[in-house]
Amino acid sequence: DTGVSQDPRHKITKRGQNVTFRCDPISEHNRLYWYRQTLGQGPEFLTYFQNEAQLEKSRLLSDRFSAERPKGSFSTLEIQRTEQGDSAMYLCASSLSTFSGYGYTFGSGTRLTVV
Amino acid sequence: AQTVTQSQPEMSVQEAETVTLSCTYDTSESDYYLFWYKQPPSRQMILVIRQEAYKQQNATENRFSVNFQKAAKSFSLKISDSQLGDAAMYFCAYRVGGGSQGNLIFGKGTKLSVKP
Repeated sequence: DTGVSQDPRHKITKRGQNVTFRCDPISEHNRLYWYRQTLGQGPEFLTYFQNEAQLEKSRLLSDRFSAERPKGSFSTLEIQRTEQGDSAMYLCASSLSTFSGYGYTFGSGTRLTVV
Repeated sequence: AQTVTQSQPEMSVQEAETVTLSCTYDTSESDYYLFWYKQPPSRQMILVIRQEAYKQQNATENRFSVNFQKAAKSFSLKISDSQLGDAAMYFCAYRVGGGSQGNLIFGKGTKLSVKP
């Protein structure tokens, strides 16, 4: 297991197009988180899953955003009708619920540029 | 709502010297965790050090140590014997404890430069 993997690393898309990102967490981690990080800011929470259940969603997650984790393993984050304001780094992280005090393991992120 | 504040957008340190990054937070919880994460340019965020709020002893990891002042809600990071590889964005983060499902809340970060 090589840690948290995110694909693609970079995505350039035209405004109005749909994009989908994938995250593969550490295999034994049952919690998976999505964060968004804009330039010069700290990561902002979007949503998280425990196993396949989506347990919390941020107000930042508009109805154009949807996330899934169908079998409690990998997760996808889809953005429909992208806008220039969606340009950001999208970070995925995972953790084991019984060790919540140990922080998360982050992936390298997907950098989205909407032109 | 919990908040995390990093008041130093940028810091600079000479190689081999010591630097301290500041972080304050606001919470009404008594059980929580605090973290410092390092994010090198174009690389993933990695955990530097963590502190459990119920522990009075300050955490230490090799050249990295914290000064945790619970009453003042302050959590600073000290980097000793700074190395060129320490140059990165550093984020302070908070998470409520007690088995809660709460997520990590980050500050805006401090960009650390290390001069040779």
